[in-house]
Amino acid sequence: DAGITQSPRHKVTETGTPVTLRCHQTENHRYMYWYRQDPGHGLRLIHYSYGVKDTDKGEVSDGYSVSRSKTEDFLLTLESATSSQTSVYFCAISVLGSSGANVLTFGAGSRLTVL
Amino acid sequence: DQQVKQNSPSLSVQEGRISILNCDYTNSMFDYFLWYKKYPAEGPTFLISISSIKDKNEDGRFTVFLNKSAKHLSLHIVPSQPGDSAVYFCAASGNYGQNFVFGPGTRLSVLP
Repeated sequence: DAGITQSPRHKVTETGTPVTLRCHQTENHRYMYWYRQDPGHGLRLIHYSYGVKDTDKGEVSDGYSVSRSKTEDFLLTLESATSSQTSVYFCAISVLGSSGANVLTFGAGSRLTVL
Repeated sequence: DQQVKQNSPSLSVQEGRISILNCDYTNSMFDYFLWYKKYPAEGPTFLISISSIKDKNEDGRFTVFLNKSAKHLSLHIVPSQPGDSAVYFCAASGNYGQNFVFGPGTRLSVLP
């Protein structure tokens, strides 16, 4: 997993509670991403970061916020979880591949269930 | 509106035969196209990519073909093996390679 750790790996929570997912990388990569995976939708970008304190929204950012106070950590927060946020969340980093393309390397995922 | 489409949700192939997974895109500004493989309970893993200036890239059993005029790419796996059974995502990147858009995925089942 190229030094990417996601925590927690599994979480069950109730509607209306706050949730924070953590992504930790050990290789000092500049770009980090949060995606969610849902059946029929594939992987959809929530937020991404291009440096410490530099973040931007993806296509499904409503209801989510992120923070990056250190290069190695990228946090995804659901301020008030809803059932529609039940999903598998993947963190990724961007690395330069041998073919010259930037390639995303993903963590193992965090499965979130909102009851 | 999906920029990257995979119109076949699933595909079944006999072991040893060719698997062909298809992908269509709408944005002609994409720089690279990538394929990822995903097993259950794991993160997606990079498989192969192709630059928008090429029409073919090969890596072992995996070959990706790009038809820019048709905005279509395909992944060929020859010969298919049971271990290839997974969900395959097509992806495209732009914005100097830091903006990635994924298709919905195709579940490949390789039958022994």
